[in-house]
Amino acid sequence: IAGITQAPTSQILAAGRRMTLRCTQDMRHNAMYWYRQDLGLGLRLIHYSNTAGTTGKGEVPDGYSVSRANTDDFPLTLASAVPSQTSVYFCASSEQGGTTDTQYFGPGTRLTVL
Amino acid sequence: GQNIDQPTEMTATEGAIVQINCTYQTSGFNGLFWYQQHAGEAPTFLSYNVLDGLEEKGRFSSFLSRSKGYSYLLLKELQMKDSASYLCAVRDGDYKLSFGAGTTVTVRA
Repeated sequence: IAGITQAPTSQILAAGRRMTLRCTQDMRHNAMYWYRQDLGLGLRLIHYSNTAGTTGKGEVPDGYSVSRANTDDFPLTLASAVPSQTSVYFCASSEQGGTTDTQYFGPGTRLTVL
Repeated sequence: GQNIDQPTEMTATEGAIVQINCTYQTSGFNGLFWYQQHAGEAPTFLSYNVLDGLEEKGRFSSFLSRSKGYSYLLLKELQMKDSASYLCAVRDGDYKLSFGAGTTVTVRA
């Protein structure tokens, strides 16, 4: 069982370009999350989905969009990347959303926007 | 917003004990998590507290006082592999998880 996979592992992107970060989980978890991690700031929630077909905004949603067409996949799209979106992005999942279930994290995508 | 504070760095000797404190102020409370994160890797779950008291799991223990908005993670018999960042995270009243900036622990031989 792979758990959570993310792609790409790392990416360098020109400002203004569109980019989709992929996240797939094989644990049949209902809830999935996207975080960004920046030095000195910790992990911050971008968007989440408590179940397939629904999404919600986290603490820092501006400039990002998500979709949840099925249980396994939760892609994160940057429509027009800016340098302040340079960060490490982690996808996570939990059995249920809106509960005390533990979140499990993918390996991360390191994104640099120039 | 949420406010979660933990020390930035701590250094300890192999075999020693280190205590990482975490204080929080959140809108509601539905549990506190500790995660371990090695450099360049994903956070991995260590412990969960929702009631006051001590939870022990091998060399790691976590304590919670809800009335004081305080938790600590205790690492005993430190090993070199324990060198990592330790993240305190609080689930608020809306079940959102908010993270502290993390405490980097360096274990010296």
